[in-house]
Amino acid sequence: AQSVAQPEDQVNVAEGNPLTVKCTYSVSGNPYLFWYVQYPNRGLQFLLKYITGDNLVKGSYGFEAEFNKSQTSFHLKKPSALVSDSALYFCAVRDWVISGGYNKLIFGAGTRLAVHP
Amino acid sequence: DVKVTQSSRYLVKRTGEKVFLECVQDMDHENMFWYRQDPGLGLRLIYFSYDVKMKEKGDIPEGYSVSREKKERFSLILESASTNQTSMYLCASSPEGQYPNYEQYFGPGTRLTVT
Repeated sequence: AQSVAQPEDQVNVAEGNPLTVKCTYSVSGNPYLFWYVQYPNRGLQFLLKYITGDNLVKGSYGFEAEFNKSQTSFHLKKPSALVSDSALYFCAVRDWVISGGYNKLIFGAGTRLAVHP
Repeated sequence: DVKVTQSSRYLVKRTGEKVFLECVQDMDHENMFWYRQDPGLGLRLIYFSYDVKMKEKGDIPEGYSVSREKKERFSLILESASTNQTSMYLCASSPEGQYPNYEQYFGPGTRLTVT
C-alpha cells in the first residue's frame, strides 16, 4: 500500500533562514506527490505537486520541493522563511485503488512549522 | 477560483443525535471527498463520490454515511453521533480526466464537538 511519512511533528526556524520540511514515501509504481498547507482555522491549500519531469518542483508562496527517487523523499523547502509561513504542512501521495478503479490521496500526519522573528 | 463551502464552521451536538454536514463546490467537479482531521493522524478519508448518487467507502467509513443527489453537493451524515466523532471534518473536490491532476480543493472545515 502507498504511504507517506513526515518524521517531524514540528520544525522551528528563525525568520530569514532556509527551511526544510521532510517527507518520505513508499509506493509501488511511479509516485505522484503533493504538498498542502493549512493555516489556522482554514482548510488545506495546495502548494505544489510532482507528477513527472524535473526533480525540483516550484510552487506557491516561494516554496519548492525536491523529488529524490533513490532516497524516496520529497522534502519541502524555502530559501528564506517568513513568520507568515507558520502553519501545518501535509505531504500526500496518490493511491490508485485497483478494485474500485479510482484515485485517492493518502496524507501524512502533518508537520507544524513555526517561524520565529 | 474553485470554491468549496461547508455549511458550518463550528457545530456542537449531543450523543445520539443525527448530524448532517453539507459541502458545496462551484466548479462542476466530478469527485468529492469527506475527511476527518485529528492531531497526529493527518487526514483520513471517510467517503468519496465520483459521480451523482455514486459513493465509495474510504478508510474509516464506520458510523458515517453520505449522500450525493446533485453534482455540486456532498453531504456527510453521522447517523448517531458519538463522542469519538469529535473532530475537524474537511470536504474536498477534484476534477476528473484522462490525465487527472489529482489535486484536491478543500473547504474551510467544520469543527464538530459531540458532548
